[in-house]
Amino acid sequence: GAVVSQHPSWVICKSGTSVKIECRSLDFQATTMFWYRQFPKQSLMLMATSNEGSKATYEQGVEKDKFLINHASLTLSTLTVTSAHPEDSSFYICSARKGLNNEQFFGPGTRLTVL
Amino acid sequence: GESVGLHLPTLSVQEGDNSIINCAYSNSASDYFIWYKQESGKGPQFIIDIRSNMDKRQGQRVTVLLNKTVKHLSLQIAATQPGDSAVYFCAENGGSNYKLTFGKGTLLTVNP
Repeated sequence: GAVVSQHPSWVICKSGTSVKIECRSLDFQATTMFWYRQFPKQSLMLMATSNEGSKATYEQGVEKDKFLINHASLTLSTLTVTSAHPEDSSFYICSARKGLNNEQFFGPGTRLTVL
Repeated sequence: GESVGLHLPTLSVQEGDNSIINCAYSNSASDYFIWYKQESGKGPQFIIDIRSNMDKRQGQRVTVLLNKTVKHLSLQIAATQPGDSAVYFCAENGGSNYKLTFGKGTLLTVNP
């Protein structure tokens, strides 16, 4: 199998606080993980590519200082939304690439609500 | 930049009918395409994929067709069931060996 988990599944926080979201590949090692953001009734937008042991690669328009990504092991990547604001409220989804294939296995997503 | 798009944002079908969901892509460098199903509040679920050296691939109740000439991708679902109700996304790799670009999505509603 290829199972990816995320924690937490949902979080509500106050404006100005930071929130950490974890993405884990449970039964395989993932050298590459991806973070997406999805607003209601919209598609998934790639935010960044997370490579184990190196700095993340951010997509154009995504602030790297606001969305901190750490990929410290082959099974864990974290996304920290710093100084969150209401406009950061969204569904954050991670995926993990298994082996050298293109196929990505997706986590269940994390619903972030910033008050 | 180039993007993947969908013709129909919503599709409503009767249970038992066949469904066809379409997707137009614009990046001619793409050589790998995937269809995902996303239920409300959940992450995308892999349905079927196809590489550019093929024009058709079949799975269980699903078929993906690829027309590289007109840059068009379709997903056919046979004997659609209420459990098929979800948003369906196509995705392309843009020639990359790992990055995916998602289309806008089509909401499929299956009426009993």
